[in-house]
Amino acid sequence: DVKVTQSSRYLVKRTGEKVFLECVQDMDHENMFWYRQDPGLGLRLIYFSYDVKMKEKGDIPEGYSVSREKKERFSLILESASTNQTSMYLCASSFLQGKHEQFFGPGTRLTVL
Amino acid sequence: GENVEQHPSTLSVQEGDSAVIKCTYSDSASNYFPWYKQELGKGPQLIIDIRSNVGEKKDQRIAVTLNKTAKHFSLHITETQPEDSAVYFCAVWARGATNKLIFGTGTLLAVQP
Repeated sequence: DVKVTQSSRYLVKRTGEKVFLECVQDMDHENMFWYRQDPGLGLRLIYFSYDVKMKEKGDIPEGYSVSREKKERFSLILESASTNQTSMYLCASSFLQGKHEQFFGPGTRLTVL
Repeated sequence: GENVEQHPSTLSVQEGDSAVIKCTYSDSASNYFPWYKQELGKGPQLIIDIRSNVGEKKDQRIAVTLNKTAKHFSLHITETQPEDSAVYFCAVWARGATNKLIFGTGTLLAVQP
């Protein structure tokens, strides 16, 4: 079974803090994604990566950056957390680029005070 | 760019009844339409998908129908059971400058025993 794990289920941070969200997948997938989930807005793509050290902006990249130094690990970074970044963050991976199943982690509920 | 609308936002049915969730999209070139189910406390999981060369696909109690002319597709769940209670997301593979999945806003399905 594909497993996508995220470093924390719940996280509380203060405005202005630097926040790291870690994601690890164990199936040698090429592609990894970070989404943000908010009520009434569905899942919105923040960043994705099709290869190590490669990254592409999604629909809402402002205020975020990413890092992919190893194939299995994809990190989302909030350089200076703000209250409007309070949300559920979901990491996903897929084997092939394109129209293929994405496997999601359980999510990290981030609260910024 | 691609725009995906999903209705209804909430749906309550009695156990054993059928449930239908509908999504519309805007880009006639889109050709891959997956459905994801998100149970409480978990990440979304692919339950069925359809590609534009077919009009209907069925897997036990779930089915997806696609009307390319009208640009809408629907998820049908028959003989609903309490374990079908979850949030369901449709998605569309958007082709453009960056290929990606565009998700609908989600439907909270409650199956009443």
